[in-house]
Amino acid sequence: DGGITQSPKYLFRKEGQNVTLSCEQNLNHDAMYWYRQDPGQGLRLIYYSQIVNDFQKGDIAEGYSVSREKKESFPLTVTSAQKNPTAFYLCASSPQTGTLTDTQYFGPGTRLTVL
Amino acid sequence: GEDVEQSLFLSVREGDSSVINCTYTDSSSTYLYWYKQEPGAGLQLLTYIFSNMDMKQDQRLTVLLNKKDKHLSLRIADTQTGDSAIYFCAETVSGGYNKLIFGAGTRLAVHP
Repeated sequence: DGGITQSPKYLFRKEGQNVTLSCEQNLNHDAMYWYRQDPGQGLRLIYYSQIVNDFQKGDIAEGYSVSREKKESFPLTVTSAQKNPTAFYLCASSPQTGTLTDTQYFGPGTRLTVL
Repeated sequence: GEDVEQSLFLSVREGDSSVINCTYTDSSSTYLYWYKQEPGAGLQLLTYIFSNMDMKQDQRLTVLLNKKDKHLSLRIADTQTGDSAIYFCAETVSGGYNKLIFGAGTRLAVHP
């Protein structure tokens, strides 16, 4: 089955710790994205990557870091510099060639709670 | 600026039609999307419409686009309890890459 997987589903972190959220896709998509979702709000873009070894900041990149060493993987690290990290994190991917290149497909999400 | 607005809540009776509305700001949007999110889950792509279309129908779903008013709607016919979820409208914004701008989501509650 093709799709996007995120792990873990739930993650608890103590203040001052860095944590890394995993995102893997086997859709052969070039582009990958990380969003943050807070209650009652739409999704806000953290980082995106259009190609391996390249990524760009989104609207709320402060306190986060990413890497894109492989096409299928785009891990997100939430650092201790992120002041309010408790949220639902969603990873997405999209094809960069052919029709509907804008269409993003989402993973199941990771809920991060800071204790 | 870039903005997508939706009403936050809609309650309908099972079997009735639901209409979820959305307004957007970027007239250069190429595609407009509807996503569905069930509790604790990711976003599921429901349907999309290309900006040169007025209407698209897909089984129980009908999307209407009024480009002049920048208004998008999603109609769900014969609404079922399984349709209870949050529905997000999203538009593409042109730039260095095709960015998606999401509305805050409309929570649809279906009651018997």
